[in-house]
Amino acid sequence: SQTIHQWPATLVQPVGSPLSLECTVEGTSNPNLYWYRQAAGRGLQLLFYSVGIGQISSEVPQNLSASRPQDRQFILSSKKLLLSDSGFYLCAWNRDPGETQYFGPGTRLLVL
Amino acid sequence: KNEVEQSPQNLTAQEGEFITINCSYSVGISALHWLQQHPGGGIVSLFMLSSGKKKHGRLIATINIQEKHSSLHITASHPRDSAVYICAVPGSSGSARQLTFGSGTQLTVLP
Repeated sequence: SQTIHQWPATLVQPVGSPLSLECTVEGTSNPNLYWYRQAAGRGLQLLFYSVGIGQISSEVPQNLSASRPQDRQFILSSKKLLLSDSGFYLCAWNRDPGETQYFGPGTRLLVL
Repeated sequence: KNEVEQSPQNLTAQEGEFITINCSYSVGISALHWLQQHPGGGIVSLFMLSSGKKKHGRLIATINIQEKHSSLHITASHPRDSAVYICAVPGSSGSARQLTFGSGTQLTVLP
């Protein structure tokens, strides 16, 4: 069966510090991978998606970047965090576009 | 851009009540998703439907493609159903990869 992992579960970082959130999927190959952010009291916003190694599409201009160094690994990064980067970050995967997406447990990021 | 509206934003019910959550969207779609977000933040996909009705346990999802409207029903609601329910549709470009999410309906079921 397929599983999706995210870490860390929670993170408190000062403004201006770097960020690295990791997402890995097990039990499948060549998944579509997604990074979402959910700000407090707001809906889910798609940040990045990837259809393969090294292939990243960005949905919104921002302070964040994503990378996919391996088939089942998706990393969300920032060189310098802003207060507005605080939120709940979710990784998701599916096999085909339009198919049900399966979400990871999420990472709560608080930037102080 | 596909606009998604959910109603109500908040819903409080007594255990056993029949619940209905509505979702409307502005642009024709191939499929609509219903998601459940637990208090801890975890998200579970409940349904993906493109026509008609789907049922899973006490949950029923319906969609009317012509009216661009979907409903999620919960029969015999239970406190463990308390969660945020979110509908999502393909985004502005029509690509199914890019989902646009509703703002969610916070459901609280009281014992």
